[in-house]
Amino acid sequence: SQTIHQWPATLVQPVGSPLSLECTVEGTSNPNLYWYRQAAGRGLQLLFYSVGIGQISSEVPQNLSASRPQDRQFILSSKKLLLSDSGFYLCAWSVPPHRGFNQPQHFGDGTRLSIL
Amino acid sequence: GESVGLHLPTLSVQEGDNSIINCAYSNSASDYFIWYKQESGKGPQFIIDIRSNMDKRQGQRVTVLLNKTVKHLSLQIAATQPGDSAVYFCAERKMWGSNYKLTFGKGTLLTVNP
Repeated sequence: SQTIHQWPATLVQPVGSPLSLECTVEGTSNPNLYWYRQAAGRGLQLLFYSVGIGQISSEVPQNLSASRPQDRQFILSSKKLLLSDSGFYLCAWSVPPHRGFNQPQHFGDGTRLSIL
Repeated sequence: GESVGLHLPTLSVQEGDNSIINCAYSNSASDYFIWYKQESGKGPQFIIDIRSNMDKRQGQRVTVLLNKTVKHLSLQIAATQPGDSAVYFCAERKMWGSNYKLTFGKGTLLTVNP
């Protein structure tokens, strides 16, 4: 069966420090991968989306970047964190459309990021 | 942009009652819909999905109804249990270039009273 792992679960960082959040998927190949941010009491905002190694689409302009160095690894980064980067970051995967058109996205348990 | 001070819709039910959570979606071209459950401090968990060519789908204790005429989706939970307490999100899928994206609602907080 497929599993998705995110780490760390919580992170406290000072303003201006760098960031690296990691997400890995097991049990499937060539998944679509996603990074979302969830603000308290709000829905999920798509940040980045990847259909393959090195292929990243950015949904909104921001202080963050994403990379996919391996098929099942997705990394969210920042060179200098802002206070507004605080939030709950979720990674998700889905089967690509050509392998299953009506398939949901599956989420990890997220990283709670607090910027001080 | 996002609204400031937005509160989640809430639904409070007694254990054993049936729950109905509603969702209005925005795009008549959306072709696939998903309900997720999110417990505190965890990621959203898939509950049930439905394609736009269907109007009802049933799972274990859950039923999703789709009314495309009024762009409305509902999740019915039978015999609600304390473990059902969570935030429930609907999501709609829309074509996005050569791929697709999910757009999520803001969620409904379900509280089950023992």
